[in-house]
Order: sequence, then C-alpha cells, then structure tokens
Amino acid sequence: GAVVSQHPSWVICKSGTSVKIECRSLDFQATTMFWYRQFPKQSLMLMATSNEGSKATYEQGVEKDKFLINHASLTLSTLTVTSAHPEDSSFYICSALYRGAEAFFGQGTRLTVV
Amino acid sequence: EDQVTQSPEALRLQEGESSSLNCSYTVSGLRGLFWYRQDPGKGPEFLFTLYSAGEEKEKERLKATLTKKESFLHITAPKPEDSATYLCAVQARQAGTALIFGKGTTLSVSS
Repeated sequence: GAVVSQHPSWVICKSGTSVKIECRSLDFQATTMFWYRQFPKQSLMLMATSNEGSKATYEQGVEKDKFLINHASLTLSTLTVTSAHPEDSSFYICSALYRGAEAFFGQGTRLTVV
Repeated sequence: EDQVTQSPEALRLQEGESSSLNCSYTVSGLRGLFWYRQDPGKGPEFLFTLYSAGEEKEKERLKATLTKKESFLHITAPKPEDSATYLCAVQARQAGTALIFGKGTTLSVSS
C-alpha cells in the first residue's frame, strides 16, 4: 500500500515559538494532501486542503496566518504552527491522496506547547 | 449538510464474539465511503473503500458492506488485537476530495 510519513512524531515547544511538521508520501506522488487536527477522544477535524503548487484551502474557522501550509513538491507538504500557544496543543495528522482517490495517513504529530 | 454518524460509540466483545459496527451517512452524492482503523496515538490505517451500493470488501476478519444510506463493518471472531477505534468517512462529490469523518466506534476485545 501507499506510505505516508510524518515528522516529527512528537514535539514540545515554548509558547510564542513556531513549529514545522512535515508530511511526505514515500512511494507515490500526491497532488493533494490534507491536514487534520484531532482532540482527545474526538474524530478528525479537517483544517486545510493542500494542492501542489498552489495555495492551501482552509476550512472555516482555521486561521491561515497561524497554520501555514506549503506544498512545494509532489511528495512533501509542511504545516507550520506560528506563534504557538498552549491551546494549539493537539494531535496533527496529514494525509495524502493516492491515485486521486484513496487517502493514506501519516502517523501523526503530538504537539505540546508549554 | 453532509454528515456521518457511527454507532455504537463503544463496543466491548469477548474474543470470538462476532458483531457489526454501523456508519450512517447523509451526503449530496457519494463519491466513496472509507473505513479506517486508528490505534491510540497513531494515524488512521486504511482498511476499505466502497463506491457503490451493494459493494462488499473483505480483509481477514473484517468485512465492509454498503447500502444507499449506511455501511456496516462486520467483525467475525474478533481477537484482542482487533481492539482499536474504527473510523468511517465519506467523500462527497460537492466537497471535492476531502473526507468527512464520523466520531468513530471504539472496539475492545477481551480474551
């Protein structure tokens, strides 16, 4: 099957700093990638859709200036949480669209802002 | 509004006790329905994609079926290692390729 790798798996940062999370499709090219956020015992909440070479499409209520998404190549998308605050602490998960149809997910990144 | 509802929220089974998980959906034109397994602290693991009513897919002890209004994930003779949260998601034509997730069913299988 298709493999999506997310890095880092977990990160702790100080309030006010920025954190970058990488999402890579290892064995296929992904024109479209997605970023989700998941709170404890909740389902996945779509944050944004990332298309290679174009600006990301953010869901309603998601701050574009806080969650910067870049999809510069067909195998890499990055999510940068800028000026992080404790309320940004969460589990962030990316997915990549395989053959334009099936979404495969990374292993997730646990972000803790202290 | 496109919506996915999963039931039950939690399910406890004895090893070998077969059961089914339900996923009801309301969507303006279904492009595809997806089942994922998620272990604690991990990303969802792809299980199945179903595209049309009447379609069925199997993988080991799991079998997924699809009707025009719902999907079932049947678990036959489950083992403790099947314990996980099972997520259902739909892909609606109007929403493009983004998945709309249900809240999941947390399955616990005891030996």
